[in-house]
Amino acid sequence: DVKVTQSSRYLVKRTGEKVFLECVQDMDHENMFWYRQDPGLGLRLIYFSYDVKMKEKGDIPEGYSVSREKKERFSLILESASTNQTSMYLCASGLAGRWNEQFFGPGTRLTVL
Amino acid sequence: AQKITQTQPGMFVQEKEAVTLDCTYDTSDQSYGLFWYKQPSSGEMIFLIYQGSYDEQNATEGRYSLNFQKARKSANLVISASQLGDSAMYFCAMREGYYGGSQGNLIFGKGTKLSVKP
Repeated sequence: DVKVTQSSRYLVKRTGEKVFLECVQDMDHENMFWYRQDPGLGLRLIYFSYDVKMKEKGDIPEGYSVSREKKERFSLILESASTNQTSMYLCASGLAGRWNEQFFGPGTRLTVL
Repeated sequence: AQKITQTQPGMFVQEKEAVTLDCTYDTSDQSYGLFWYKQPSSGEMIFLIYQGSYDEQNATEGRYSLNFQKARKSANLVISASQLGDSAMYFCAMREGYYGGSQGNLIFGKGTKLSVKP
C-alpha cells in the first residue's frame, strides 16, 4: 500500500512564525505536490516537485517555499505565517508517467492566530 | 475560466438509490485524465476512479462508474446503491498533458457534498 504521511494533523501557529509542513512517501515516487484546500474553492496547487531539488510553482505559490532534499520527503515552508494561510494542506505523490494515480496524505489543518 | 466545473454544491440521496454527480471540464489538450476523489469528514482524499481521454469504455470500479461524454466534455460520477458511508465531499479533477516533461498536477473542481439519507 502506498503511504503518504504528513507530520501533523493539526497545527496552531502565531502570525509571523516560520512553519514547516513535512510530507513523506514510501513508494519511491518521483512527483510530489502540495495543495491547499479552502471551503468553496476546492484544492489549489501551491508547489510541486518532479525530482530531488527540483520544484515548480503552482497556482498560488506566494507566501510559500518548498524543499526537496530527498526523494521521499517534500517540505512546505511558510516563512512568516499570516492569518490568510489558515487552511487545510494536502500533500500528494505519484509516479512519473503513471497518469492514473495520485495518492494523498491525511492533510494538515493549520490555524494561524 | 474554470477548468473543472461541479455545479452541485450539495446533493441528497436516499440510501440504496443511485446518484449522479456532475462534472464538466475544459481543456484543449488531446491527452488528459479525469479523476474522482472522495473526501470524508476525516479529511483524507480517497481515489475512486480514473478515465483517460483515449479510453473508449467508461471506467467502472465497484459501485462507482464514470459516465464519460467526450464531445460534451463531461465526466459524471455515478454511485449505485448508495450507502450511508458514501456521505462525503466528492471532487472531480483533471490532469492535462505533461508539465516540464513529467506528470502534471491535478486541477480540482470545488466539490459536491453528498448526503445519504437513511
